[in-house]
Amino acid sequence: NAGVTQTPKFQVLKTGQSMTLQCAQDMNHNSMYWYRQDPGMGLRLIYYSASEGTTDKGEVPNGYNVSRLNKREFSLRLESAAPSQTSVYFCASSSVPGSQETQYFGPGTRLLVL
Amino acid sequence: AQSVTQPDIHITVSEGASLELRCNYSYGATPYLFWYVQSPGQGLQLLLKYFSGDTLVQGIKGFEAEFKRSQSSFNLRKPSVHWSDAAEYFCAVVSSGSARQLTFGSGTQLTVLP
Repeated sequence: NAGVTQTPKFQVLKTGQSMTLQCAQDMNHNSMYWYRQDPGMGLRLIYYSASEGTTDKGEVPNGYNVSRLNKREFSLRLESAAPSQTSVYFCASSSVPGSQETQYFGPGTRLLVL
Repeated sequence: AQSVTQPDIHITVSEGASLELRCNYSYGATPYLFWYVQSPGQGLQLLLKYFSGDTLVQGIKGFEAEFKRSQSSFNLRKPSVHWSDAAEYFCAVVSSGSARQLTFGSGTQLTVLP
């Protein structure tokens, strides 16, 4: 099993450009999450999908949209990138949206917005 | 709202020395607590978790953590650090929201001296 995979690994955008970050998991997990990681701030939740067909906002959703394409895939879209969105983005998944379930993380996508 | 504080941004220890990383949480009910480790350029890996029961929790790679309700703490310890333990460590608590989201501390960067 590959676990959680993310593409691309690294991306440079100009302000105003759009892009989609892809995430896929092969663990048959129900829940998927998108986080951003900024220096000194830990990880902050952008959006999550508790189950296929549902999505909800997290702590920092502004400027992002998501799509839960199917049970395996959860994409994050930046419609008009801004320098403030320069960050490392992590996708995670867990089998149920429960307190005792471990979240498994992908390797991350490093995004630089100029 | 729940929160997690990691008061030490950066800790340096010598190889073979003992290690304690501090974590304090703010949460109204019984918390579910996690420690994750992030090696450079990698995603997050779960070290250990606490849900209930024995307050001393054993994890992978020789790490342990102790839950102290009276001090609202969940400190991570290792008796003898190895050079490969150099990484960033994150404490997290599960939120009280519907998705049981993880709330992360800002992280502690560990440097290990030879």
